Amino acid sequence: GAVVSQHPSWVICKSGTSVKIECRSLDFQATTMFWYRQFPKQSLMLMATSNEGSKATYEQGVEKDKFLINHASLTLSTLTVTSAHPEDSSFYICSATGTSGSYNEQFFGPGTRLTVL
Amino acid sequence: GESVGLHLPTLSVQEGDNSIINCAYSNSASDYFIWYKQESGKGPQFIIDIRSNMDKRQGQRVTVLLNKTVKHLSLQIAATQPGDSAVYFCAENRVNAGNMLTFGGGTRLMVKP
Repeated sequence: GAVVSQHPSWVICKSGTSVKIECRSLDFQATTMFWYRQFPKQSLMLMATSNEGSKATYEQGVEKDKFLINHASLTLSTLTVTSAHPEDSSFYICSATGTSGSYNEQFFGPGTRLTVL
Repeated sequence: GESVGLHLPTLSVQEGDNSIINCAYSNSASDYFIWYKQESGKGPQFIIDIRSNMDKRQGQRVTVLLNKTVKHLSLQIAATQPGDSAVYFCAENRVNAGNMLTFGGGTRLMVKP
């Protein structure tokens, strides 16, 4: 159980276009989903926290108008990178938490590799 | 721990030997500490966690030690196998901060056959 999927697994786009990444919890209801960005040879950096039905909370330095997050249901959150530029090329990873266990363990998706030309 | 630099420290071990991966953390208010394994091009995979009021926890072939005095966390892997080759991250969890995870910088483990 506790499987999180992401789609697409990789995407290549032209500079200036927008890209949408989906994160789904397949077998549980995710009250909270998190979006991370990971540059090569670096750790995961939290971008934003999203709760179903409410606005996402963005970390300092993350532009909310550039990285649009929608968490419309308990099983789906989307991250849209608007007007993408080469510096947005990165590995984007989502995670989701349910309500099981002594703390809300985060279950991670497989990641989406974004390359902006 | 804090994410630092562009070069992951690397630990190289011989297959069958024990591995010890270390992590320093900064927030004494963390409730849980978690170790993740990340293979190339994949998302992090949960290995083991430890509550902040414990100092040791064992799993299958893995042991996590927590030293709150010096804010140090370690992951010990017994009888390391080639399949253990990956990047390992420690992370801190704070329940009262919306269950946020703060990741450490990571260590690359390379297992030589």
